[in-house]
Amino acid sequence: GENVEQHPSTLSVQEGDSAVIKCTYSDSASNYFPWYKQELGKGPQLIIDIRSNVGEKKDQRIAVTLNKTAKHFSLHITETQPEDSAVYFCAARTRGNQFYFGTGTSLTVIP
Amino acid sequence: ETGVTQTPRHLVMGMTNKKSLKCEQHLGHNAMYWYKQSAKKPLELMFVYSLEERVENNSVPSRFSPECPNSSHLFLHLHTLQPEDSALYLCASSQDFSGFVSETQYFGPGTRLLVL
Repeated sequence: GENVEQHPSTLSVQEGDSAVIKCTYSDSASNYFPWYKQELGKGPQLIIDIRSNVGEKKDQRIAVTLNKTAKHFSLHITETQPEDSAVYFCAARTRGNQFYFGTGTSLTVIP
Repeated sequence: ETGVTQTPRHLVMGMTNKKSLKCEQHLGHNAMYWYKQSAKKPLELMFVYSLEERVENNSVPSRFSPECPNSSHLFLHLHTLQPEDSALYLCASSQDFSGFVSETQYFGPGTRLLVL
């Protein structure tokens, strides 16, 4: 089956700096990669996603890049703000429409 | 709000109790999911229902019993749980399960379960 690894597990950045979270996957058949943000006491919420036929996608301060050859994808948050502090999860959808999730990155933006 | 609600938000139960978790989605979706979220572990898919039929059951112990009476409601019946079952239980929904329409999953806020 698929194996998704996510790094780092914790990340602290100064407000205004950029944050990068990386995930790798093992199944070359995976074709859809969402990123979720989970705030305390809430369920994960989709913030951006990318399909395997696209290399990069951007939405305001958030971007995701995908390298299919290397089987890794990354979340980039620019100009971080305190409200970006949360746990971020990556996921990969593979054959059988199964989603496999990373273990999460706890991001802290220091004012 | 994501359009997916879960009740109760918190639950404490003994190992001999029987309780049920409820999920309701107001998005008109056809697929619903139960996930288990434990600390430091990836989200674990437990059950998938598509058009009220169970399509996935990922080797979940029989002390967890799902029920999907219609496409808007999903239940997780709990009985004789173990302390290691303590976790956040998340419900999610998507337009369909096949992914041909939309594979985006929308999560509820979860039920924090503590088994004593």
